[in-house]
Amino acid sequence: AQSVSQHNHHVILSEAASLELGCNYSYGGTVNLFWYVQYPGQHLQLLLKYFSGDPLVKGIKGFEAEFIKSKFSFNLRKPSVQWSDTAEYFCAAASGTYKYIFGTGTRLKVLA
Amino acid sequence: EPEVTQTPSHQVTQMGQEVILRCVPISNHLYFYWYRQILGQKVEFLVSFYNNEISEKSEIFDDQFSVERPDGSNFTLKIRSTKLEDSAMYFCASRRTGTEAFFGQGTRLTVV
Repeated sequence: AQSVSQHNHHVILSEAASLELGCNYSYGGTVNLFWYVQYPGQHLQLLLKYFSGDPLVKGIKGFEAEFIKSKFSFNLRKPSVQWSDTAEYFCAAASGTYKYIFGTGTRLKVLA
Repeated sequence: EPEVTQTPSHQVTQMGQEVILRCVPISNHLYFYWYRQILGQKVEFLVSFYNNEISEKSEIFDDQFSVERPDGSNFTLKIRSTKLEDSAMYFCASRRTGTEAFFGQGTRLTVV
């Protein structure tokens, strides 16, 4: 069955710390991968996406993710977080029909 | 920047009542979706809609649910007889061919 798992449910970091959020997927065939962010009271916003090509994907706000096919992973990274990065982060996968399968989300709190 | 808009932002309804959640997708998008997120849980796919018909639906999307695109701009989700467990945040999304989905801000449905 198709699934996406995020292992970190709650992460607390101090400003300037480095961030890595894990995401693993189970999907048959070609898969497109996404990271979305949800700030409190706001809608899901796309951080970055992987369709094909370079497995290291750069997104907005200094985020990047690496697609490692052999590990079925698409981890999100940021070298130095800011207080404004406090939000919930969702990994998602989709195949051709674009029915997104979301992970359970990771709540990130950055301490000023 | 074009965006997906949803109304209302919050709807409170009594158990057994019908509700209609409204969405205005981005104008040149052809694929439409509804997702829901029960408080504290992950975002779940409900239904996808293309070319004026349902292209895929989840097991959550039972006979109590229906979708409609009544005109060229709106995309609605109707729940015929709401249950307590329908309380959730409902997200509408749309996309063009070959792109990621864009999400609305959501409608928080509270069934009392």
